[in-house]
Amino acid sequence: AQSVTQLGSHVSVSEGALVLLRCNYSSSVPPYLFWYVQYPNQGLQLLLKYTTGATLVKGINGFEAEFKKSETSFHLTKPSAHMSDAAEYFCAVRNNNNDMRFGAGTRLTVKP
Amino acid sequence: SQTIHQWPATLVQPVGSPLSLECTVEGTSNPNLYWYRQAAGRGLQLLFYSVGIGQISSEVPQNLSASRPQDRQFILSSKKLLLSDSGFYLCAWSVDQGRNTFGSGTRLTVV
Repeated sequence: AQSVTQLGSHVSVSEGALVLLRCNYSSSVPPYLFWYVQYPNQGLQLLLKYTTGATLVKGINGFEAEFKKSETSFHLTKPSAHMSDAAEYFCAVRNNNNDMRFGAGTRLTVKP
Repeated sequence: SQTIHQWPATLVQPVGSPLSLECTVEGTSNPNLYWYRQAAGRGLQLLFYSVGIGQISSEVPQNLSASRPQDRQFILSSKKLLLSDSGFYLCAWSVDQGRNTFGSGTRLTVV
């Protein structure tokens, strides 16, 4: 069965610093991987997704993620954090039944 | 501790039949409640969210409706299902600015 582990329930960075949110997955089939963002009092929004092809995926708001099969990872990065990036971030994998399985989430705090 | 219950886990319904999916939350008060759908091959899409009893916001026009008759109950409905309503439906809750906690999902197949 597919599963997702997000390392670090809370990450804090300074404005302008690198953002790195970690996600590791397990999957018995080639995975489809997703990152979602949830801003306060809003629903989830898709940031980016990996299906096939290029392993470095670029998403909205300057975020990108790299699929590394050898490490079973799909870490989310952004070179320079902005105050508006403060939110909850969820990694997800699509399972055998085309259903989504989510990680527990990581709260990103950006300090001025 | 807080828990979220969503049922049924799987459902096969004929085209034109009604739908009712239920989601309940325990251990918290006045949660924000959400219904998401994941259609085959796509990511998650927010359908409805509610910040209180009787308060429903719809994100996309569709064949579905939602209701919140009680503080911790969120129902997804349809009067007549379409083939395109097939998908995986997730209920979720959050409190204040907290993260979404998801139910186990319902796999709906419309035949």
